[in-house]
Amino acid sequence: AQKVTQAQTEISVVEKEDVTLDCVYETRDTTYYLFWYKQPPSGELVFLIRRNSFDEQNEISGRYSWNFQKSTSSFNFTITASQVVDSAVYFCALRDSGSARQLTFGSGTQLTVLP
Amino acid sequence: DSGVTQTPKHLITATGQRVTLRCSPRSGDLSVYWYQQSLDQGLQFLIQYYNGEERAKGNILERFSAQQFPDLHSELNLSSLELGDSALYFCASSGPGGTSEQYFGPGTRLTVT
Repeated sequence: AQKVTQAQTEISVVEKEDVTLDCVYETRDTTYYLFWYKQPPSGELVFLIRRNSFDEQNEISGRYSWNFQKSTSSFNFTITASQVVDSAVYFCALRDSGSARQLTFGSGTQLTVLP
Repeated sequence: DSGVTQTPKHLITATGQRVTLRCSPRSGDLSVYWYQQSLDQGLQFLIQYYNGEERAKGNILERFSAQQFPDLHSELNLSSLELGDSALYFCASSGPGGTSEQYFGPGTRLTVT
């Protein structure tokens, strides 16, 4: 069975601080896909990134960066120089390579960025 | 804007009633997924349809059913509603590629009183 663990329930930082959101996953598949979604207070789920299991290259997009480490089954997300608009719940999700493509979500991390 | 639309945005109904939630996927997407987000269960996959056919089932109650129509929109039917069914229901869609990410609609907030 697949499982995603986001051990940090809530994180609070002051604006301009860097923050890392942790994600640890479990799967028996050798090919799988990892995702991060953002859920702002308005409630919608916004896709941020997809990472394939065979591509361990880290990725940077503006103030966002992702660190994928297969050896530790982790896919962590770092926001550099956080801003108040980054305040949201962030979800890590896992999908296997089967024909059914449902996502298994972690429980989410509530990030609050204080001005 | 993800391109996925859901109606209604909010729904308030009483226990024992039946409701229908509607979803229109992004243009060109063949797959539709339904998820339920509640405080105690988190985000859970309910069911997936691909081009009108049921593809996968998750933690969907027998009181719930769904279908995808020829124009690819989907409906989630919830019947004999209980207080515990109060939740945010998301629809997502994805393209035909095996690695396509899912794009989520704004959700329907269901409140059962």
